[in-house]
Amino acid sequence: AQTVTQSQPEMSVQEAETVTLSCTYDTSESDYYLFWYKQPPSRQMILVIRQEAYKQQNATENRFSVNFQKAAKSFSLKISDSQLGDAAMYFCAYRATYNQGGKLIFGQGTELSVKP
Amino acid sequence: KAGVTQTPRYLIKTRGQQVTLSCSPISGHRSVSWYQQTPGQGLQFLFEYFSETQRNKGNFPGRFSGRQFSNSRSEMNVSTLELGDSALYLCASSSWTSGGAGQTQYFGPGTRLLVL
Repeated sequence: AQTVTQSQPEMSVQEAETVTLSCTYDTSESDYYLFWYKQPPSRQMILVIRQEAYKQQNATENRFSVNFQKAAKSFSLKISDSQLGDAAMYFCAYRATYNQGGKLIFGQGTELSVKP
Repeated sequence: KAGVTQTPRYLIKTRGQQVTLSCSPISGHRSVSWYQQTPGQGLQFLFEYFSETQRNKGNFPGRFSGRQFSNSRSEMNVSTLELGDSALYLCASSSWTSGGAGQTQYFGPGTRLLVL
């Protein structure tokens, strides 16, 4: 069974600094998708970034980028120039392809606080 | 496009009652998934519907059921409520087309259920 592990329950970063959130996963599949979602206090789950496993290039969305290491099954999120609005719970998630069921499997989350 | 909507946003029920939650997906999305979020268990997959058919089911008792209508709107029902059913119930939709964009799930704001 696939699993997702986030080893950092809490992280803190100074405003305008850079922070990296860690995520590892376990799967025997070669084709899948990885996501980072952000859940602020409103509890609305917001997509931050997506990575297709078949793409070697790391995904980037403005201040957010990932370091995808397929062989190591590692998928970390880097937030540059951190802003107060980045404070939230961040979840790493794995989704198998259509033929494998496709449900999202989440890590336990990392709560990020941003200090002014 | 309008996002995923869920109704009601908050519910208070007593043990033994039943409850029905509703989810309207993003226009054009044919897949709807449901997740339960609790502090202890985190985010857990309940089930997924595609074109009115249940494609995938998580490890929940039979008290949890769902359905999808021809317009892709979905409902989930929990019968004989227990205290442990208190949770945030999240609905997510996706287009299920090929490629990363089609595999991305977009979440609604959730329904917070409290069972007394």
